[in-house]
Amino acid sequence: QSALTQPASVSGSPGQSITISCTGTSSDVGGYNYVSWYQQHPGKAPKLMIYDVSNRPSGVSNRFSGSKSGNTASLTISGLQAEDEADYYCSSYTSSSSWVFGGGTKLTVL
Amino acid sequence: QVQLVESGGGVVQPGGSLRLSCAASGFTFSSYGMHWVRQAPGKGLEWVAFIRYDGSNKYYADSVKGRFTISRDNSKNTLYLQMNSLRAEDTAVYYCAKDKKGDGSCDYWGQGTLVTVSS
Repeated sequence: QSALTQPASVSGSPGQSITISCTGTSSDVGGYNYVSWYQQHPGKAPKLMIYDVSNRPSGVSNRFSGSKSGNTASLTISGLQAEDEADYYCSSYTSSSSWVFGGGTKLTVL
Repeated sequence: QVQLVESGGGVVQPGGSLRLSCAASGFTFSSYGMHWVRQAPGKGLEWVAFIRYDGSNKYYADSVKGRFTISRDNSKNTLYLQMNSLRAEDTAVYYCAKDKKGDGSCDYWGQGTLVTVSS
């Protein structure tokens, strides 16, 4: 159950788009369409932003989108806003009937 | 509205035990799988355990297998995590989370309860 690999940090200016990658293996990200993305502000509980690779829960801005290619999933945030500054985590179901998170990515809005 | 409220955290000595509870309301608890996820201070999220809606299947992270037990009482709308043989590395905020579809997409989370393992 090794953690999925995410960049430690990404940054962008308001209005720009950024993409956060999440790399796993064929036993997790590449093997199932069960990748989720979470946003976490300091001191708060995580919030589901994307599920099943590319689906947005009700109430989540359409500026957030998800995709997957092979063993790598991606979260794209377009039209970056100050409120998007947070930590982002990916997660995936695994072939061991378990789940694994990425190490997290700190998004800074410049 | 959906509410998940964890309780039971605190300070415990290495080797000790603790039971966490998660009281659920605002949804049909007995219809959804539930997770425990933890976050060590200043660290990332770590999945801990999952239990299916009816308690028929339980799954654990390797790091807690054999020491932690997840359970639920659907008549009380409550999720539990029994933690035994606690170690310093188990120190974390523990969140309970509702699984939207049974595939790991956690659409509601509690506020978390802090467990500190220290002598």
